[in-house]
Amino acid sequence: AQRVTQPEKLLSVFKGAPVELKCNYSYSGSPELFWYVQYSRQRLQLLLRHISRESIKGFTADLNKGETSFHLKKPFAQEEDSAMYYCALSDPGNQFYFGTGTSLTVIP
Amino acid sequence: NAGVMQNPRHLVRRRGQEARLRCSPMKGHSHVYWYRQLPEEGLKFMVYLQKENIIDESGMPKERFSAEFPKEGPSILRIQQVVRGDSAAYFCASSPLGGTGELFFGEGSRLTVL
Repeated sequence: AQRVTQPEKLLSVFKGAPVELKCNYSYSGSPELFWYVQYSRQRLQLLLRHISRESIKGFTADLNKGETSFHLKKPFAQEEDSAMYYCALSDPGNQFYFGTGTSLTVIP
Repeated sequence: NAGVMQNPRHLVRRRGQEARLRCSPMKGHSHVYWYRQLPEEGLKFMVYLQKENIIDESGMPKERFSAEFPKEGPSILRIQQVVRGDSAAYFCASSPLGGTGELFFGEGSRLTVL
């Protein structure tokens, strides 16, 4: 069963425009949710996690349990934000499930 | 701390040969995860191991694929009798004992089957 859904495979925005990468999840209970990012020629790395509630590189993500969503947002996109973004969920058994990823391109 | 190390970075095999991919987790990490990345499918979970134990292999194909994480040495993902459909990037990730909720990824091993 698909636990994490990222409906957009590709997303392009202009520099300075707001950006939102969508993520919906399916899980009963209280999962932990994450966003991971893979910049060109770099390894996949953690961007942020919902528990920490912090903003990283201007990105924020709010867990909406009613809509089972964890969308990633940034008010003003920068060229260096161009990357592959994965939403992920972990369960109490330390198992991690990733979405199919969204490739973000920020147009100068 | 060198981070998660995977080797080889690139591996070319002919159909029917065996592929062995190795993953050394970060120092102090005892959980290892293997994922396969295909262009249209994102990261697909394959197997989750702790030292000398397979915790969850629900993502592993039933045949030809196996994984281990011995007491000493790296974790190994083994693919026997490779087929063209096995061509993909294989990523390893590790997390520390008890899990902090963060996975640390290697750079991946790209397998090409001719």
